[in-house]
This record gives sequence, structure tokens and C-alpha cells, in this order.
Amino acid sequence: DSGVTQTPKHLITATGQRVTLRCSPRSGDLSVYWYQQSLDQGLQFLIQYYNGEERAKGNILERFSAQQFPDLHSELNLSSLELGDSALYFCASSVGPGSDYGYTFGSGTRLTVV
Amino acid sequence: KNQVEQSPQSLIILEGKNCTLQCNYTVSPFSNLRWYKQDTGRGPVSLTIMTFSENTKSNGRYTATLDADTKQSSLHITASQLSDSASYICVVSADAGNMLTFGGGTRLMVKP
Repeated sequence: DSGVTQTPKHLITATGQRVTLRCSPRSGDLSVYWYQQSLDQGLQFLIQYYNGEERAKGNILERFSAQQFPDLHSELNLSSLELGDSALYFCASSVGPGSDYGYTFGSGTRLTVV
Repeated sequence: KNQVEQSPQSLIILEGKNCTLQCNYTVSPFSNLRWYKQDTGRGPVSLTIMTFSENTKSNGRYTATLDADTKQSSLHITASQLSDSASYICVVSADAGNMLTFGGGTRLMVKP
């Protein structure tokens, strides 16, 4: 157990729908990072939050949004889902704003859009 | 542009054999280089982290090397086991961890 908790582990939904993925960082970590990993592809950075504020943005679609709450958990919202959004979604957390200390991944949420 | 290239893309070896995975990078300003193991459908797990001044670091049967001059790293796996079958991802951190660049990974399959 890495200490980073992601729920749900699996999600199946239809095209056009909206889903919310949740990530609880390790105790004491202030940063949360979101990644998308499509089948047989590398990890693609989506977005980072640090202590409730957006800190860095990657290749995140406009249909996707995220936020980090006062208790530091984060949610990734995916809307108007398309078949191509089917992927593993990982979050990672770290102590500070940079990733050089205690950077740890969760076990992921597998999203299947049908 | 920051880039991390890994080779080979995939590799099949027999159980008990050794193998070496390669990582070349063009990332600056360099902060550290990390190797992760990712089992299918699971989150990446850190194997080693090396800073500029470290040439080699071991974690059990995994040994990573870093040549900061040529900007190359390798991950050597000794006496492979079936459980080593996974993707191995090289990640380079820049700007004090404010930027991570991921390699595409090497998919290793260990056969009995």
C-alpha cells in the first residue's frame, strides 16, 4: 500500500456521460498530480494541485477538470466521455510543490467507456 | 525540448538471465533520474532515484547507473524472476522536481 488511495478501482460508463475520480494523497503530502495512461501508452501528465491551488497543467482536455479540497483530497472530473477516454488514470502525491520528495503513485482507476 | 528515450521498447528473456535497459535523456536543469516498475494495470513503484553526483544505486537485484556527462542511465536486472515481468519507466526530474519527463517504458517479459 503506497498510502495514495484512488477510488473507484474500476468504472464502466457510456459515451457522453460524466464521471468523477477521487484521490486521497499520503498523509502529510500537499501536492496531487493526475496522469492518464491509455492502453500500451506512456503516462501523460494532466494536472497538478498544491495545497488547494492549481500549480501545473499538462495535456488536459477542456472536457476534463480537477480540484483539490481543503482536506487535500482531489477529484478529477471527466465529462462528455468518448471511447478514447478509456484509460487508466493515476494520481500521485508529494510532500511539497515539486516532486523530488516522497513522490508516490496510487494504484489507479481503470475507466472503460462503452 | 525535454525528452527521455528508452530502449528497447520490449524485451523477452529467460528466467534466471540478466538484462540491461537503457535510458537516454535531454532534460535540463537536471534534478534526478528515477526508475519505476509498473506491473500491468497497477501504479508505478519506485526502484531507484539518483542525483547528479550518484553513479550507481542498487535495490536488491536491480542496479541503476547514471552517466551525467553522456546523459545516459541503465537499469540492470540480475538473475531475473517471473515477477520481474513488467514495464520499466525512466523518469527525469528537472527544475527541483517541478518538471517530470517520462520515458515510454520498456516492457520486459520473463519466461520460464
